[in-house]
Amino acid sequence: DQQVKQNSPSLSVQEGRISILNCDYTNSMFDYFLWYKKYPAEGPTFLISISSIKDKNEDGRFTVFLNKSAKHLSLHIVPSQPGDSAVYFCAARGNSGGSNYKLTFGKGTLLTVNP
Amino acid sequence: GAGVSQSPSNKVTEKGKDVELRCDPISGHTALYWYRQSLGQGLEFLIYFQGNSAPDKSGLPSDRFSAERTGGSVSTLTIQRTQQEDSAVYLCASSPGPSPRLLFFGSGTQLSVL
Repeated sequence: DQQVKQNSPSLSVQEGRISILNCDYTNSMFDYFLWYKKYPAEGPTFLISISSIKDKNEDGRFTVFLNKSAKHLSLHIVPSQPGDSAVYFCAARGNSGGSNYKLTFGKGTLLTVNP
Repeated sequence: GAGVSQSPSNKVTEKGKDVELRCDPISGHTALYWYRQSLGQGLEFLIYFQGNSAPDKSGLPSDRFSAERTGGSVSTLTIQRTQQEDSAVYLCASSPGPSPRLLFFGSGTQLSVL
Protein backbone atom coordinates (compact mmCIF):
# COMPACT_ATOMS: atom_id res chain seq x y z
CA ASP A 1 0.00 0.00 0.00
CA GLN A 2 1.48 3.28 -1.11
CA GLN A 3 1.72 5.71 1.78
CA VAL A 4 3.00 8.58 -0.36
CA LYS A 5 1.31 9.13 -3.68
CA GLN A 6 2.19 11.36 -6.58
CA ASN A 7 -0.70 10.81 -8.92
CA SER A 8 0.68 12.78 -11.85
CA PRO A 9 3.54 10.92 -13.54
CA SER A 10 4.32 13.97 -15.66
CA LEU A 11 3.67 17.69 -15.97
CA SER A 12 4.51 20.11 -18.76
CA VAL A 13 4.55 23.89 -18.29
CA GLN A 14 5.73 26.93 -20.18
CA GLU A 15 8.80 28.83 -19.07
CA GLY A 16 7.88 31.68 -16.74
CA ARG A 17 4.63 30.06 -15.62
CA ILE A 18 3.90 28.35 -12.32
CA SER A 19 4.54 24.63 -11.84
CA ILE A 20 2.45 22.88 -9.20
CA LEU A 21 3.41 19.37 -8.18
CA ASN A 22 1.10 17.49 -5.87
CA CYS A 23 1.58 14.78 -3.27
CA ASP A 24 -0.86 12.93 -1.02
CA TYR A 25 -0.10 10.76 1.98
CA THR A 26 -2.05 8.34 4.08
CA ASN A 27 0.03 7.91 7.24
CA SER A 28 -0.95 10.44 9.92
CA MET A 29 2.31 9.65 11.77
CA PHE A 30 4.37 11.45 9.15
CA ASP A 31 5.80 14.61 10.71
CA TYR A 32 8.23 15.91 8.15
CA PHE A 33 7.99 16.20 4.39
CA LEU A 34 10.60 16.78 1.74
CA TRP A 35 10.93 17.30 -1.97
CA TYR A 36 13.87 15.92 -3.88
CA LYS A 37 14.83 16.71 -7.45
CA LYS A 38 16.50 14.23 -9.77
CA TYR A 39 18.19 14.76 -13.10
CA PRO A 40 18.85 11.79 -15.41
CA ALA A 41 21.85 9.66 -14.42
CA GLU A 42 22.21 11.56 -11.14
CA GLY A 43 21.07 10.86 -7.61
CA PRO A 44 18.20 12.82 -6.06
CA THR A 45 19.13 16.11 -4.40
CA PHE A 46 17.28 17.79 -1.55
CA LEU A 47 15.16 20.74 -2.62
CA ILE A 48 12.90 21.93 0.18
CA SER A 49 11.16 20.58 3.26
CA ILE A 50 8.37 21.35 5.68
CA SER A 51 7.57 20.29 9.20
CA SER A 52 4.06 19.16 10.06
CA ILE A 53 3.71 22.10 12.45
CA LYS A 54 3.84 24.52 9.54
CA ASP A 55 1.62 25.01 6.53
CA LYS A 56 4.05 26.82 4.26
CA ASN A 57 7.76 27.04 3.63
CA GLU A 58 9.35 29.23 1.00
CA ASP A 59 12.82 29.23 -0.48
CA GLY A 60 13.35 31.50 -3.44
CA ARG A 61 11.26 30.30 -6.36
CA PHE A 62 10.16 27.20 -4.45
CA THR A 63 7.29 27.04 -1.98
CA VAL A 64 5.88 23.97 -0.31
CA PHE A 65 2.35 24.01 1.12
CA LEU A 66 1.06 21.47 3.60
CA ASN A 67 -2.61 20.75 4.29
CA LYS A 68 -2.61 18.30 7.18
CA SER A 69 -6.35 17.81 7.31
CA ALA A 70 -6.35 16.76 3.66
CA LYS A 71 -3.01 14.92 3.99
CA HIS A 72 -1.84 16.82 0.96
CA LEU A 73 1.23 18.81 0.07
CA SER A 74 2.22 20.68 -3.02
CA LEU A 75 5.37 22.21 -4.45
CA HIS A 76 5.06 25.48 -6.34
CA ILE A 77 7.80 26.70 -8.62
CA VAL A 78 7.47 30.30 -9.76
CA PRO A 79 8.64 31.26 -12.29
CA SER A 80 9.48 27.94 -13.89
CA GLN A 81 12.73 27.68 -15.81
CA PRO A 82 13.92 25.09 -18.34
CA GLY A 83 16.62 24.02 -15.86
CA ASP A 84 13.84 22.94 -13.49
CA SER A 85 13.04 20.08 -15.85
CA ALA A 86 13.62 16.96 -13.74
CA VAL A 87 11.84 14.26 -11.77
CA TYR A 88 10.50 15.53 -8.45
CA PHE A 89 10.03 13.11 -5.57
CA CYS A 90 7.87 13.77 -2.56
CA ALA A 91 9.09 12.05 0.61
CA ALA A 92 7.83 11.76 4.17
CA ARG A 93 9.34 10.83 7.50
CA GLY A 94 7.52 9.14 10.34
CA ASN A 95 7.90 10.07 13.98
CA SER A 96 7.35 6.72 15.61
CA GLY A 97 9.64 3.93 16.73
CA GLY A 98 12.84 5.95 16.70
CA SER A 99 13.28 5.42 12.96
CA ASN A 100 13.27 9.11 12.11
CA TYR A 101 15.89 8.51 9.45
CA LYS A 102 13.62 6.48 7.16
CA LEU A 103 11.96 8.22 4.28
CA THR A 104 8.95 6.99 2.33
CA PHE A 105 9.02 8.22 -1.25
CA GLY A 106 6.40 8.74 -3.90
CA LYS A 107 6.91 7.51 -7.45
CA GLY A 108 7.93 10.91 -8.73
CA THR A 109 6.61 13.46 -11.22
CA LEU A 110 8.53 14.31 -14.37
CA LEU A 111 8.40 18.08 -14.86
CA THR A 112 9.17 19.48 -18.29
CA VAL A 113 9.54 23.23 -18.62
CA ASN A 114 9.30 24.33 -22.24
CA PRO A 115 11.23 27.41 -23.41
CA GLY B 1 35.90 12.66 -3.43
CA ALA B 2 33.39 15.45 -3.19
CA GLY B 3 30.28 13.32 -3.39
CA VAL B 4 28.91 9.84 -2.83
CA SER B 5 30.51 7.45 -5.28
CA GLN B 6 28.89 4.23 -6.42
CA SER B 7 30.30 1.45 -8.56
CA PRO B 8 29.63 0.01 -10.98
CA SER B 9 27.27 2.49 -12.61
CA ASN B 10 25.74 -0.34 -14.62
CA LYS B 11 25.69 -4.06 -14.00
CA VAL B 12 24.16 -6.73 -16.20
CA THR B 13 24.03 -10.21 -14.75
CA GLU B 14 22.39 -13.52 -15.34
CA LYS B 15 19.67 -14.86 -13.12
CA GLY B 16 21.15 -16.88 -10.28
CA LYS B 17 24.48 -15.06 -10.14
CA ASP B 18 25.67 -13.05 -7.14
CA VAL B 19 26.42 -9.33 -7.43
CA GLU B 20 28.20 -6.80 -5.24
CA LEU B 21 27.46 -3.10 -5.36
CA ARG B 22 29.84 -0.64 -3.77
CA CYS B 23 29.29 2.73 -2.12
CA ASP B 24 31.91 5.26 -1.04
CA PRO B 25 30.16 7.83 1.17
CA ILE B 26 31.24 11.41 1.72
CA SER B 27 34.18 11.48 4.08
CA GLY B 28 33.11 12.07 7.66
CA HIS B 29 29.48 11.13 7.12
CA THR B 30 28.42 8.75 9.86
CA ALA B 31 25.10 7.67 8.35
CA LEU B 32 24.80 5.55 5.22
CA TYR B 33 21.64 4.36 3.48
CA TRP B 34 20.77 2.03 0.65
CA TYR B 35 17.59 2.61 -1.33
CA ARG B 36 16.39 1.05 -4.55
CA GLN B 37 14.09 2.28 -7.27
CA SER B 38 12.34 -0.33 -9.37
CA LEU B 39 10.83 0.71 -12.68
CA GLY B 40 7.82 2.95 -12.14
CA GLN B 41 8.20 2.91 -8.37
CA GLY B 42 9.40 5.30 -5.72
CA LEU B 43 12.59 4.90 -3.79
CA GLU B 44 12.37 1.99 -1.38
CA PHE B 45 14.38 1.94 1.85
CA LEU B 46 16.67 -1.08 2.18
CA ILE B 47 19.16 -0.59 5.02
CA TYR B 48 20.64 2.09 7.30
CA PHE B 49 24.02 2.28 9.01
CA GLN B 50 24.79 4.83 11.72
CA GLY B 51 28.26 4.89 13.20
CA ASN B 52 28.98 1.75 15.18
CA SER B 53 25.35 0.99 15.91
CA ALA B 54 23.66 -2.14 14.67
CA PRO B 55 22.27 -1.47 11.18
CA ASP B 56 18.55 -1.24 10.49
CA LYS B 57 18.01 -4.03 7.97
CA SER B 58 14.24 -3.88 8.06
CA GLY B 59 13.93 -2.88 4.39
CA LEU B 60 15.89 -5.75 2.91
CA PRO B 61 13.37 -7.66 0.77
CA SER B 62 14.76 -11.16 1.33
CA ASP B 63 17.64 -13.04 2.90
CA ARG B 64 19.37 -12.99 -0.47
CA PHE B 65 20.20 -9.36 0.29
CA SER B 66 22.93 -8.36 2.71
CA ALA B 67 25.07 -5.30 3.30
CA GLU B 68 28.07 -4.39 5.32
CA ARG B 69 29.96 -1.25 6.09
CA THR B 70 33.64 -1.63 6.78
CA GLY B 71 35.50 0.76 9.03
CA GLY B 72 32.53 3.10 9.16
CA SER B 73 33.12 4.11 5.57
CA VAL B 74 32.74 2.00 2.42
CA SER B 75 29.63 -0.13 2.12
CA THR B 76 28.89 -3.16 -0.03
CA LEU B 77 25.42 -4.40 -0.90
CA THR B 78 25.41 -8.05 -1.93
CA ILE B 79 22.58 -9.79 -3.72
CA GLN B 80 22.89 -13.56 -3.92
CA ARG B 81 21.19 -15.73 -6.53
CA THR B 82 19.80 -12.71 -8.34
CA GLN B 83 16.27 -12.79 -9.70
CA GLN B 84 14.71 -10.71 -12.46
CA GLU B 85 12.66 -8.77 -9.93
CA ASP B 86 15.93 -7.52 -8.42
CA SER B 87 16.43 -5.36 -11.51
CA ALA B 88 16.40 -1.76 -10.31
CA VAL B 89 18.54 1.28 -9.64
CA TYR B 90 20.30 0.87 -6.32
CA LEU B 91 21.02 4.21 -4.67
CA CYS B 92 23.38 4.85 -1.81
CA ALA B 93 23.19 7.97 0.32
CA SER B 94 25.17 9.36 3.20
CA SER B 95 24.62 12.11 5.72
CA PRO B 96 26.52 13.64 8.63
CA GLY B 97 23.64 12.64 10.90
CA PRO B 98 20.13 11.21 10.76
CA SER B 99 18.50 14.38 9.34
CA PRO B 100 16.92 13.61 5.96
CA ARG B 101 17.57 17.19 4.83
CA LEU B 102 21.25 16.41 4.74
CA LEU B 103 20.96 13.25 2.67
CA PHE B 104 23.39 13.13 -0.25
CA PHE B 105 22.73 10.49 -2.88
CA GLY B 106 25.10 8.82 -5.27
CA SER B 107 24.12 8.45 -8.91
CA GLY B 108 23.21 4.82 -8.40
CA THR B 109 23.92 1.41 -9.89
CA GLN B 110 21.55 0.25 -12.61
CA LEU B 111 21.22 -3.50 -12.10
CA SER B 112 19.74 -5.60 -14.87
CA VAL B 113 19.12 -9.29 -14.25
CA LEU B 114 18.54 -11.24 -17.45
